[in-house]
Amino acid sequence: NAGVMQNPRHLVRRRGQEARLRCSPMKGHSHVYWYRQLPEEGLKFMVYLQKENIIDESGMPKERFSAEFPKEGPSILRIQQVVRGDSAAYFCASSIYGDTQYFGPGTRLTVL
Amino acid sequence: AQRVTQPEKLLSVFKGAPVELKCNYSYSGSPELFWYVQYSRQRLQLLLRHISRESIKGFTADLNKGETSFHLKKPFAQEEDSAMYYCALGGETSGSRLTFGEGTQLTVNP
Repeated sequence: NAGVMQNPRHLVRRRGQEARLRCSPMKGHSHVYWYRQLPEEGLKFMVYLQKENIIDESGMPKERFSAEFPKEGPSILRIQQVVRGDSAAYFCASSIYGDTQYFGPGTRLTVL
Repeated sequence: AQRVTQPEKLLSVFKGAPVELKCNYSYSGSPELFWYVQYSRQRLQLLLRHISRESIKGFTADLNKGETSFHLKKPFAQEEDSAMYYCALGGETSGSRLTFGEGTQLTVNP
């Protein structure tokens, strides 16, 4: 089992561009979580998804951010019109039944 | 509201010394608590969870509901224990999100 995969590992965008972050959960896992870590801070929950459903998006900013976990393929975290404050590490985690979460290596987003 | 506090951002000990990383939480229900560790340039890994009551790499943590704490302890620190440690709180509902503390960077000196 390869573990949770995230790509790209590093992403550089200019202000106003779109960022797409991908997460492939561990084999057999149908629950996906996204967390954001701003510099010098802990991880903050963003969204929890199961296949084709958003279960909890209480941590998502109201604008510009969206997430999906389609029936086939990876989960995508999409940030439109990025701003400098979006620069952070974005972590994905997966679990089988919504219990223990296993984390990916993260995507470091830098907005110029 | 769920909250996790790790009061020490940095902790430095010598090899062979005991180490305790503090974690306090705030939660009105029945908590699930975890310790995650992140070694240099590696992903976050689950170290232990309170319901399993197991010892991993010599670390233990006891949930103290009276003091709302879940401190991580090891009697004899090793250099390879140097890492970032995060305490995390999950809710009672299956699939609950995790609330993380800000982390403690542990350095074990030779």
